[in-house]
Amino acid sequence: QVTLTESGPALVRPTQTLTLTCSFSGFSLSTTGVRVDWIRQPPGKALEWLGRIDWEDDKFYSPYLKTRLTISKDTSKNQVVLRMTNVGPLDTATYYCSRIRRFGESDYWGQGTLVTVSS
Amino acid sequence: DIQMTQSPLSLSASVGDSVTITCRPSQTINNYLNWYQQKPGRAPNLLVYAASFLQTGVPSRFSGSGSGTDFTLTISSLQPEDFATYFCQQSFDAPYTFGQGTKLEIK
Repeated sequence: QVTLTESGPALVRPTQTLTLTCSFSGFSLSTTGVRVDWIRQPPGKALEWLGRIDWEDDKFYSPYLKTRLTISKDTSKNQVVLRMTNVGPLDTATYYCSRIRRFGESDYWGQGTLVTVSS
Repeated sequence: DIQMTQSPLSLSASVGDSVTITCRPSQTINNYLNWYQQKPGRAPNLLVYAASFLQTGVPSRFSGSGSGTDFTLTISSLQPEDFATYFCQQSFDAPYTFGQGTKLEIK
């Protein structure tokens, strides 16, 4: 059974660094072809793809956030970590992680974690 | 970036109706097109992948079609649980962009 769970702070101050963890089970990021995405959704708005990490530790980032994002993995812990520097109010959103399948579709999602950026 | 244009952005229909949502990428994406359903307060749920393949467990009243730059999601015989927001996503090239979403409401 595949599950993903996002965790991290609910409130972050402007200019701080946000760190979110995606803990998963039912698959391994050391298996060929396995990938995990981060996606976010501001309240009432559309989904925005943030980045991806794959089984070979290759990373892909949104060009709009590339300078602020770092995605890493800890295969032994079955975790993927998203780090976003210098957050601002526009980073207020629900952040999701998802498992990526063969055609790039997200077949399993975490429940999401709402992060509010406010002083 | 590949821009994904969904239409309509909102749609009002009745139980039993058939509806079609369109997604047009700004460049060809072959068949790397996915559809998701999202209900308020919930994570998106995969409906269709690779343009026309129904995800396991998704009712057969949902269907996807298209290729290149023109894709559609059709829901036949709408059920009460289908009233939600629908997003398309291209998985052809990073960044893997989403459409703006189509909110399907009960008439």
